[in-house]
Amino acid sequence: EPEVTQTPSHQVTQMGQEVILRCVPISNHLYFYWYRQILGQKVEFLVSFYNNEISEKSEIFDDQFSVERPDGSNFTLKIRSTKLEDSAMYFCASSEGTANYGYTFGSGTRLTVV
Amino acid sequence: DQQVKQNSPSLSVQEGRISILNCDYTNSMFDYFLWYKKYPAEGPTFLISISSIKDKNEDGRFTVFLNKSAKHLSLHIVPSQPGDSAVYFCAASVYGNKLVFGAGTILRVKS
Repeated sequence: EPEVTQTPSHQVTQMGQEVILRCVPISNHLYFYWYRQILGQKVEFLVSFYNNEISEKSEIFDDQFSVERPDGSNFTLKIRSTKLEDSAMYFCASSEGTANYGYTFGSGTRLTVV
Repeated sequence: DQQVKQNSPSLSVQEGRISILNCDYTNSMFDYFLWYKKYPAEGPTFLISISSIKDKNEDGRFTVFLNKSAKHLSLHIVPSQPGDSAVYFCAASVYGNKLVFGAGTILRVKS
C-alpha cells in the first residue's frame, strides 16, 4: 500500500536553529498538508499546499514557518528559528482530493527543541 | 479551539463486544466528518467518513452515525478485536478544507 514517508523520525535541535522536516507524499496525490501534535494536546492543522502554493494556513504557521515542494516529489517544512514551544510531533499528509477523501498521514517527525 | 470534542479519554471493551466512540461538535458549518485510528509511533490512519447529508455510513465492522440536530457523531465497532486497541480521533472539515481534530479516545479491547 502506498505510504507517506517522513524523515527524520526524530530531530533534536538547539533553540534558534533552523530545521527542515522532509516528506515524500504519495506520488499521484495532489494535496499536501502539515499537522502537528504537541505532547498531550490535539492534532493541529498547520498548512495545506496545492498546485505549488499554500491554499490555507493556520495562525500557528507564522513567518518562522515555510513549505516547499522543491522537486515534484519531496514536500518540506522549514522552521527558521526554532523555539522551545515548537517541540512536537509533526505529521505530513497527502490526499488525492480535499480533506473529505481522507488523508494518508506519515509516521511523523518528533522535533525536540532544547 | 473546542469545535470538536471527544469527552471520553478512554474506553475499555471486551473482545467480541461493541465499541462505541462518541464525538460532539459545535461548528454547524462542518459538512464532513472523519474517524482516524492511531497506533503509537505511527501517523493517524483514515478509517471511515460521513457527509453531513447522510446519517449513517458503514464499512465492514465500522459504522459511523451522524445526528446533525444534536451535533453528535459516533463510531461503532462490531465485533471489537484486540487489534482495534488504539487512539481514535474524530475530525471534521468545512468544504473539504483543513481537518479539525478532537482530543482522541484511547480504546482498549480486552481478550
